[in-house]
Amino acid sequence: DSGVTQTPKHLITATGQRVTLRCSPRSGDLSVYWYQQSLDQGLQFLIQYYNGEERAKGNILERFSAQQFPDLHSELNLSSLELGDSALYFCASSPDPSGSYEQYFGPGTRLTVT
Amino acid sequence: GENVEQHPSTLSVQEGDSAVIKCTYSDSASNYFPWYKQELGKGPQLIIDIRSNVGEKKDQRIAVTLNKTAKHFSLHITETQPEDSAVYFCAASMPNDMRFGAGTRLTVKP
Repeated sequence: DSGVTQTPKHLITATGQRVTLRCSPRSGDLSVYWYQQSLDQGLQFLIQYYNGEERAKGNILERFSAQQFPDLHSELNLSSLELGDSALYFCASSPDPSGSYEQYFGPGTRLTVT
Repeated sequence: GENVEQHPSTLSVQEGDSAVIKCTYSDSASNYFPWYKQELGKGPQLIIDIRSNVGEKKDQRIAVTLNKTAKHFSLHITETQPEDSAVYFCAASMPNDMRFGAGTRLTVKP
């Protein structure tokens, strides 16, 4: 158990809809990262927050957004969903903002868009 | 940006044999190289990492080597066991930019 929690575990929704994925980092970790993993694909970095502020952006679509709250939990919002958005979404946390440090991954949220 | 290539994409070994997975990276500014193991239905788990000021690191049956000049690093698993079967990802990181390899599916046959 990494100490990172993600909810929900599974999510099934229709095209055009909007969903919110939630992540709680390990106790004490200020950095949260979001990744997308499509079927048989590697991990694609989406976005990083550190202590409430956006720190780095990867291949995140404009339809996607995220935020980190004062209690350090983070939410990833996916809107106008398309079939191709079906994937596993992971968050990871780290005590360090630089990215050059261990990241601890949550169990993921499996999103299915029908 | 950084580009990480990982080989092979699949690897099958007999229990007790060694397994080697290789990765190359493109940006010499990368200074942190973690390896993750992902079992079916779970999130990636950090198994070992190495920083650019170190050439080799070992943890029981797992070792990682780094060649900065050639920009490649490798994961070595000795005395493989069936529970080592999983997908392994390498990554290369510089400040605010971590890139992952595409993964290697390792199967250890009993």
